[in-house]
Amino acid sequence: TQLLEQSPQFLSIQEGENLTVYCNSSSVFSSLQWYRQEPGEGPVLLVTVVTGGEVKKLKRLTFQFGDARKDSSLHITAAQPGDTGLYLCAGAGIQGAQKLVFGQGTRLTINP
Amino acid sequence: KAGVTQTPRYLIKTRGQQVTLSCSPISGHRSVSWYQQTPGQGLQFLFEYFSETQRNKGNFPGRFSGRQFSNSRSEMNVSTLELGDSALYLCASTRLAGPTGELFFGEGSRLTVL
Repeated sequence: TQLLEQSPQFLSIQEGENLTVYCNSSSVFSSLQWYRQEPGEGPVLLVTVVTGGEVKKLKRLTFQFGDARKDSSLHITAAQPGDTGLYLCAGAGIQGAQKLVFGQGTRLTINP
Repeated sequence: KAGVTQTPRYLIKTRGQQVTLSCSPISGHRSVSWYQQTPGQGLQFLFEYFSETQRNKGNFPGRFSGRQFSNSRSEMNVSTLELGDSALYLCASTRLAGPTGELFFGEGSRLTVL
C-alpha cells in the first residue's frame, strides 16, 4: 500500500492542452515536495509547499496544497514538449517518519 | 558547484554476486540518502547517513547496507544479488539531515542482475 497515491500514472496529451496531476494520502504531511525526473537523470525539485491551502506558481505550473495537508495537485497550463517527464510528489512527516515518502509518479508525455 | 556524482552509471551482475555503489555529495552537504527506483514500486527509501552515522533505514533486507566516510562520500553494498534487485539506485544529498530539505539527486547507478 502506497502512503502517497499519484494519479494518473500515465498521461499523454497534445501540446497546448492543460492538465492536472494529483497526489493524495490519508495521512497529514508536514510539507510536500514536487520533483520532475527526465530520462537518464535524477529527480529535480520543482517546489516545496508547507502551509495548508498554499498555492505556488512556477511559470506555467501551479502547485496547490490541500487545506488539510493531505493532498496536493500540480496543474500545467498550455503544456509544451519540454514538460515531458516523470513527476513525483514526496511527503515529509507522514506518520512521524523522518524521511521523505515518494509517490509512484506520473509519467507525462506532451506530443508536438 | 559540482552536483552529486554516482559511480558506476551502469553495471551488470549475475545472481549471487555482490555490488558496491559510490556517491559523492555536493560539497558542504553532510547528509546522503539512498533510494531504489523501479517501474513497479517507484522510489523506495533505503537509508540516510549523516556525519558517518546511519540516521534512518527503510524496509529492505539486511543484504542492503551502506556507510558514509568522513568526507561525506557514501557507499552502498548489496550482497547475494537477486533478480529483483535490478533497479536504478539514486543517491541524494542535503546540507542537513531530516526529511524537509531539498534533495539533490545524482543521475543514478543502473544495476541489472542476470
